[in-house]
Amino acid sequence: AQTVTQSQPEMSVQEAETVTLSCTYDTSENNYYLFWYKQPPSRQMILVIRQEAYKQQNATENRFSVNFQKAAKSFSLKISDSQLGDTAMYFCALPGAQKLVFGQGTRLTINP
Amino acid sequence: DTGVSQNPRHKITKRGQNVTFRCDPISEHNRLYWYRQTLGQGPEFLTYFQNEAQLEKSRLLSDRFSAERPKGSFSTLEIQRTEQGDSAMYLCASSRASTVGGYTFGSGTRLTVV
Repeated sequence: AQTVTQSQPEMSVQEAETVTLSCTYDTSENNYYLFWYKQPPSRQMILVIRQEAYKQQNATENRFSVNFQKAAKSFSLKISDSQLGDTAMYFCALPGAQKLVFGQGTRLTINP
Repeated sequence: DTGVSQNPRHKITKRGQNVTFRCDPISEHNRLYWYRQTLGQGPEFLTYFQNEAQLEKSRLLSDRFSAERPKGSFSTLEIQRTEQGDSAMYLCASSRASTVGGYTFGSGTRLTVV
């Protein structure tokens, strides 16, 4: 069974700083996707970035990038030049048997 | 398309009462998922549909829970004889079967059982 672990329950940084959120996972699959979702306070969850496991190049979406280490089963999210609007819960997710398995989440606060 | 719509946004009910939530997915999405999220935790899978067929149910979905998706469009999630432990956010998401993990989520229904 797929498992996803996020070991940082909360993080807090100053605006414009760079922050990295950690995620480790376990899967027996060789080809798979990994995702980071953002859930702002009282708002719906949205997809931030996805990574295909067979691609060696790390995915990048504007200020968001990942560090994907397949052998270590690690998938961290880096947010550069953080903004107040980045304040949210962030979830790492892995597909498992036709559904997504989510980690416990990291509550990120960007301080002005 | 206005995305995934969930109603109601909030529901407060007394223990023992039945409640029903509705989810309207994106029209061209044939998969629909229900998740439950408790405070400070990640979403936990409950069940999913492909078109009108319910293909998988989690062990979290006790006999008091039932979900339907008639005609493969909107879906309802009913909880009978609610318990305080049912208090949570119930999230609905939809996707195309060909899309891996690219869910579109609704805003959720927050259930409080008093």
